[in-house]
Amino acid sequence: DAKTTQPTSMDCAEGRAANLPCNHSTISGNEYVYWYRQIHSQGPQYIIHGLKNNETNEMASLIITEDRKSSTLILPHATLRDTAVYYCIVIPNYGQNFVFGPGTRLSVLP
Amino acid sequence: DSGVTQTPKHLITATGQRVTLRCSPRSGDLSVYWYQQSLDQGLQFLIQYYNGEERAKGNILERFSAQQFPDLHSELNLSSLELGDSALYFCASSVLAGNSYNEQFFGPGTRLTVL
Repeated sequence: DAKTTQPTSMDCAEGRAANLPCNHSTISGNEYVYWYRQIHSQGPQYIIHGLKNNETNEMASLIITEDRKSSTLILPHATLRDTAVYYCIVIPNYGQNFVFGPGTRLSVLP
Repeated sequence: DSGVTQTPKHLITATGQRVTLRCSPRSGDLSVYWYQQSLDQGLQFLIQYYNGEERAKGNILERFSAQQFPDLHSELNLSSLELGDSALYFCASSVLAGNSYNEQFFGPGTRLTVL
């Protein structure tokens, strides 16, 4: 699996957009970018994934650069409940196994 | 609620013992994955089963084994337990139709404490 690099931690004010970056400079053409988050010690939760185009769902938006070497997860209006560790994972569309890095610990502050 | 259930929620046992963790996947999901999360190692993939057969292996110790039954539930067996096996154990499931990748849905985990 391609390696990803994320900041160790970030803070965001409640109600503001949280922008979480991820570098994946060795990504291959058939590899998707997935984002998961883990709130406290709960099971990781799927957020969003994409290949080339920007994606949006009810939880977040995913912006992938044109060269696909980096991406940004955007939580448009962060709430205190969004405080979690966010994992960026790159995996082929036929791949089976996630490799979780240390992720980014996002703290949403009141 | 992801639809994946795991039992028990908590398990406390002694070194040298053997335990079994159980996972029921979401309805319709054929693939089950096991992960271990300890404080110093992060989330580590252990093993995957698809429709009853082992599909992929990660960092699973020889003391650990798993299986997936005809009703698709899975069990992770941990034997000769050591203090370092204390961790959260997560099960995840996905549809995994053909060669397409599907997102994994994680259960709430089993917290194992080895004393």
